[in-house]
Amino acid sequence: DAGVTQSPTHLIKTRGQQVTLRCSPKSGHDTVSWYQQALGQGPQFIFQYYEEEERQRGNFPDRFSGHQFPNYSSELNVNALLLGDSALYLCASSLWQGAHTGELFFGEGSRLTVL
Amino acid sequence: DQQVKQNSPSLSVQEGRISILNCDYTNSMFDYFLWYKKYPAEGPTFLISISSIKDKNEDGRFTVFLNKSAKHLSLHIVPSQPGDSAVYFCAAGLNDMRFGAGTRLTVKP
Repeated sequence: DAGVTQSPTHLIKTRGQQVTLRCSPKSGHDTVSWYQQALGQGPQFIFQYYEEEERQRGNFPDRFSGHQFPNYSSELNVNALLLGDSALYLCASSLWQGAHTGELFFGEGSRLTVL
Repeated sequence: DQQVKQNSPSLSVQEGRISILNCDYTNSMFDYFLWYKKYPAEGPTFLISISSIKDKNEDGRFTVFLNKSAKHLSLHIVPSQPGDSAVYFCAAGLNDMRFGAGTRLTVKP
């Protein structure tokens, strides 16, 4: 039973570029949430996808966008990268009805460095 | 908007003793609270949760206490073991999950 998988694990970009991160949820899960974890901080909620729609959004600018596909996998896109976007990006999957009551299953994250 | 706060960035405890990790929140609408544990180079993993209708939940060596009037929850680990050394995040849920900044627990042999 595959858990949550994320790709790529590490990547380096320069300011102004765009990046796409990918996530495959745990088998049987239908909801994907994305978090940004800066060094020394806790995960910050970016947004949540269910039924291919953005359902909840945290306090992040429109440069952060996402998508969920019919197979429940998801992408996080960040445009016009800033130095401050350097962070670990975590994908978490769950069942929709347990998105806030049950446990989230996290991937190992994608470490983005913006130079 | 930091709705979930962990004010102690680190905690060091002797093996066999009790570890107490604390967490405060500001949004009284949160209805579920969870603790996650994170090892280096891994994503957080679920540890224990509590509903807002309860004040205590126990799972083996781990107990979570919720004080709604004080908007405070704590995680007790008894007895602490060296393998418990990790970063612990508290999280609170409403429509999504919000996390604190984490407390690094070190259990010394």
